[in-house]
Amino acid sequence: TQLLEQSPQFLSIQEGENLTVYCNSSSVFSSLQWYRQEPGEGPVLLVTVVTGGEVKKLKRLTFQFGDARKDSSLHITAAQTGDTGLYLCAGASTSGTYKYIFGTGTRLKVLA
Amino acid sequence: KAGVTQTPRYLIKTRGQQVTLSCSPISGHRSVSWYQQTPGQGLQFLFEYFSETQRNKGNFPGRFSGRQFSNSRSEMNVSTLELGDSALYLCASSLIGSSYEQYFGPGTRLTVT
Repeated sequence: TQLLEQSPQFLSIQEGENLTVYCNSSSVFSSLQWYRQEPGEGPVLLVTVVTGGEVKKLKRLTFQFGDARKDSSLHITAAQTGDTGLYLCAGASTSGTYKYIFGTGTRLKVLA
Repeated sequence: KAGVTQTPRYLIKTRGQQVTLSCSPISGHRSVSWYQQTPGQGLQFLFEYFSETQRNKGNFPGRFSGRQFSNSRSEMNVSTLELGDSALYLCASSLIGSSYEQYFGPGTRLTVT
């Protein structure tokens, strides 16, 4: 069974601090997506990474896909209160049977 | 473009009853996936429909079923509700015939008493 483990599970930081969230698996993924979910809403797609080693930037957010396409990270620079939410990584299986799985989630709270 | 819509947003049912949830995808999106989200289990894949056919299915009992109509709208049905079915049910649509880059609706919060 392919699993996506995220760490840390919870994170509470002050506004202005930097942070990194990790998404790890023992399996290879053809692509990985990152989503952010706010209370009472569905997840919102942030980015897709496809190529091993790929780095994508979205304003203060930097996403990286591991060289072996088994892991990914999300780095937030100078966090703002608006970054608060549940961050989820998700990936498409490379095994014969198609399956799309979500990570365990990282709940981020940015304090003013 | 209008986003994914789900109805109803909130639902309270009694154990043993059945429920039908509805999802309208983004215009032009032919793939619709359903997920169950709970605090303990996180986001779990239920099934995916593409062009009115179920393409993929997660590890849920047969009480959970779905269908897709010719206009890509989808419904999900849960029969013989159990307390453990209380969850946020999310629908997501995607442009091509895979579940990459999914666009989610706001979800239906189901409470089973």
